[in-house]
Amino acid sequence: EPEVTQTPSHQVTQMGQEVILRCVPISNHLYFYWYRQILGQKVEFLVSFYNNEISEKSEIFDDQFSVERPDGSNFTLKIRSTKLEDSAMYFCASAGQGGGYTFGSGTRLTVV
Amino acid sequence: QQPVQSPQAVILREGEDAVINCSSSKALYSVHWYRQKHGEAPVFLMILLKGGEQKGHEKISASFNEKKQQSSLYLTASQLSYSGTYFCGTDGSSNTGKLIFGQGTTLQVKP
Repeated sequence: EPEVTQTPSHQVTQMGQEVILRCVPISNHLYFYWYRQILGQKVEFLVSFYNNEISEKSEIFDDQFSVERPDGSNFTLKIRSTKLEDSAMYFCASAGQGGGYTFGSGTRLTVV
Repeated sequence: QQPVQSPQAVILREGEDAVINCSSSKALYSVHWYRQKHGEAPVFLMILLKGGEQKGHEKISASFNEKKQQSSLYLTASQLSYSGTYFCGTDGSSNTGKLIFGQGTTLQVKP
């Protein structure tokens, strides 16, 4: 069964450092998303991406965040200057037209 | 706006049934249901579209009442493997496929 792959599985970074989280969505999916989940809490929407551009973003997705699909397969989330409150599990998801999401296994980001 | 799920938590014995509800204050185009086990990613269960559709997945089924802006997930004859946190996701008027997830319902099935 096709999978969404995320790397790394766990990243520890110092406050103020830049991090890049990587995702390889399912190849024939058209819609790509980043969500985050703070431990034990709900899954929060960050950004949706379609046709090589951001289609919608949340209030959380401020100027410190950016997304790219640099080579047609990878889908990256960059946080320019991490804060303590960015510590969370970050999930990438992809979907086909009108279908459910397939989530990746997540990257646990710990900012110290 | 975030959909509201009820109850927040359920504890069952194997073989018992449960219902999880999801309500929205906004008009919905579709409702998704996902299950997340501890430390894992959410896994897609089913999607329901406008039209009061009911769907099934093993012994798990769901209904969608678009007039009431509600969906319910029915777990029949629960198994230990059903334990986890169940999230509904709603798309409102967004045409980007963006889902807003409820706060989750934790289901624990005991032997």
